[in-house]
Amino acid sequence: NAGVTQTPKFQVLKTGQSMTLQCAQDMNHNSMYWYRQDPGMGLRLIYYSASEGTTDKGEVPNGYNVSRLNKREFSLRLESAAPSQTSVYFCASSPIQGSPLHFGNGTRLTVT
Amino acid sequence: SQQGEEDPQALSIQEGENATMNCSYKTSINNLQWYRQNSGRGLVHLILIRSNEREKHSGRLRVTLDTSKKSSSLLITASRAADTASYFCATDKDYKLSFGAGTTVTVRA
Repeated sequence: NAGVTQTPKFQVLKTGQSMTLQCAQDMNHNSMYWYRQDPGMGLRLIYYSASEGTTDKGEVPNGYNVSRLNKREFSLRLESAAPSQTSVYFCASSPIQGSPLHFGNGTRLTVT
Repeated sequence: SQQGEEDPQALSIQEGENATMNCSYKTSINNLQWYRQNSGRGLVHLILIRSNEREKHSGRLRVTLDTSKKSSSLLITASRAADTASYFCATDKDYKLSFGAGTTVTVRA
């Protein structure tokens, strides 16, 4: 009954460090998404995976990479973190594209 | 770029009153969705209205959509303290959701 699980919940990185944000869903959804939320900006789509084996860029993909490891898991990687990537990152999933999203509780990332 | 923009940015009401917030968008859409976000949590889907629908109800929620004006409204009737949250509209174009910056609603006891 977990839904969408994101790890870690909090992370502090120094500029230039790398890390991977993990996301897993147990609802057998086909589509998965990564968003970032910044104050006053709403949520912006970073990358999405319409189905297992496919990934596509969203609105703000620069500085990020993703991997759809299997149907359940969709990870987001920051290869060389920058202060501009300080944000709250949300993973979401949906049965198919265009259907309502189910969100995780987010990862709060600070890059110093 | 944000497709949807909510108005007002913030709203404070007394328990039992109605809360209305609006969303405007720029291009044609497949559907429009409303989400709620409690502090420190992920977004929760509230209601979806398709481009060929004009009004939809779900419990104390009423959503309208005017595609000619490219706008939508969310009405929460008989508000409760538990309705305190941020509310976001999201427009679906080409199966990608674009979110607005949200309306923060505070319900005073």
